[in-house]
Amino acid sequence: AQSVTQLGSHVSVSEGALVLLRCNYSSSVPPYLFWYVQYPNQGLQLLLKYTSAATLVKGINGFEAEFKKSETSFHLTKPSAHMSDAAEYFCAVRNSGYSTLTFGKGTMLLVSP
Amino acid sequence: GAGVSQSPSNKVTEKGKDVELRCDPISGHTALYWYRQSLGQGLEFLIYFQGNSAPDKSGLPSDRFSAERTGGSVSTLTIQRTQQEDSAVYLCASSLSGEQFFGPGTRLTVL
Repeated sequence: AQSVTQLGSHVSVSEGALVLLRCNYSSSVPPYLFWYVQYPNQGLQLLLKYTSAATLVKGINGFEAEFKKSETSFHLTKPSAHMSDAAEYFCAVRNSGYSTLTFGKGTMLLVSP
Repeated sequence: GAGVSQSPSNKVTEKGKDVELRCDPISGHTALYWYRQSLGQGLEFLIYFQGNSAPDKSGLPSDRFSAERTGGSVSTLTIQRTQQEDSAVYLCASSLSGEQFFGPGTRLTVL
């Protein structure tokens, strides 16, 4: 079985501040992990993915995430928030041998000037 | 087209009516997925097609929901006798080698 927990349905930061969106997963086998971003009235866009190579994964738009097996976490970070980062972010897990993704409930990132 | 397309973008229907939602995957993608995005529920997997294999229907919430994929390309999700709790955004995704590419979704409102 696989599951994802995203802590915080809403996160507010000021422009230029550090962004930290939390994701913890549960998986019985080594997982593949993903972060997606969804802008209003749009589909999901892949930000980055972990597929058992490097534990620190760099994605688009300056985001990165670190896979920590001991903490079963895959938190998303960005050093300096931009207004255009305001969107909803989803963490997802896929077990090897499966094709479907299990998503967290999402975290809405709000960026204030 | 370059990406996954879905139609209609918005659908308003009356309770009890049937609706059909269409997904055009990226050309050449062998896998196609349907998800439902509801307020407070996140994204829920509905159904998965892979090539000519029997679809994985384990996420369909009731027998009012069905989907087909014709010719390994276009897919239609059908909801019969719609209920108000079916109101949601229905997202389609396709993939070739693992990474899923999502369409913009169809927003379904059941009055």
